[in-house]
Amino acid sequence: GQQVMQIPQYQHVQEGEDFTTYCNSSTTLSNIQWYKQRPGGHPVFLIQLVKSGEVKKQKRLTFQFGEAKKNSSLHITATQTTDVGTYFCAGPKLDKIIFGKGTRLHILP
Amino acid sequence: SQTIHQWPATLVQPVGSPLSLECTVEGTSNPNLYWYRQAAGRGLQLLFYSVGIGQISSEVPQNLSASRPQDRQFILSSKKLLLSDSGFYLCAWSLTGTTDTQYFGPGTRLTVL
Repeated sequence: GQQVMQIPQYQHVQEGEDFTTYCNSSTTLSNIQWYKQRPGGHPVFLIQLVKSGEVKKQKRLTFQFGEAKKNSSLHITATQTTDVGTYFCAGPKLDKIIFGKGTRLHILP
Repeated sequence: SQTIHQWPATLVQPVGSPLSLECTVEGTSNPNLYWYRQAAGRGLQLLFYSVGIGQISSEVPQNLSASRPQDRQFILSSKKLLLSDSGFYLCAWSLTGTTDTQYFGPGTRLTVL
């Protein structure tokens, strides 16, 4: 069945370094959504990408949707301690969305 | 604006006891509602979703059940809790479709001892 795979599972970066998480689907997606969950918190919607090759930016965060609409990435430039958390991608499957297992980002001061 | 509430925030229950978690949404009509469970350090497991009053779709067969007695109320229940039911239970809502953006409540942390 359709799966949404995320890599890496964990990432430790020095504060100020860049960070990227990747999301891959076995099938073409009509859209891809990204969520962030702070430690102890609940997932919060960040962005949705719909178009092939789409790139969107939110301050230091850059989201990309692949040309084939099967993969996506989230890149954070110059990480800060506020970026700590788990980043999930999610894609539609039939009548629901499937979440990736997430990438947990740790920031080393 | 829309808000979603969950209670209780934390719960410690003995094995074999019943469970009732409540979720309510304000500021919108006829939302799609979802229950997820998240084990410690793990991903999100969809348990149930509902597109309307009395309509429940179950994703994972287990000793949990869900009900939607009112348009903006979603309840997760169990008659007898298992140790494996421990986790972080999240309610979410979406508006235009079940594959649309979802907005999560603050969650309930359940520990079964």
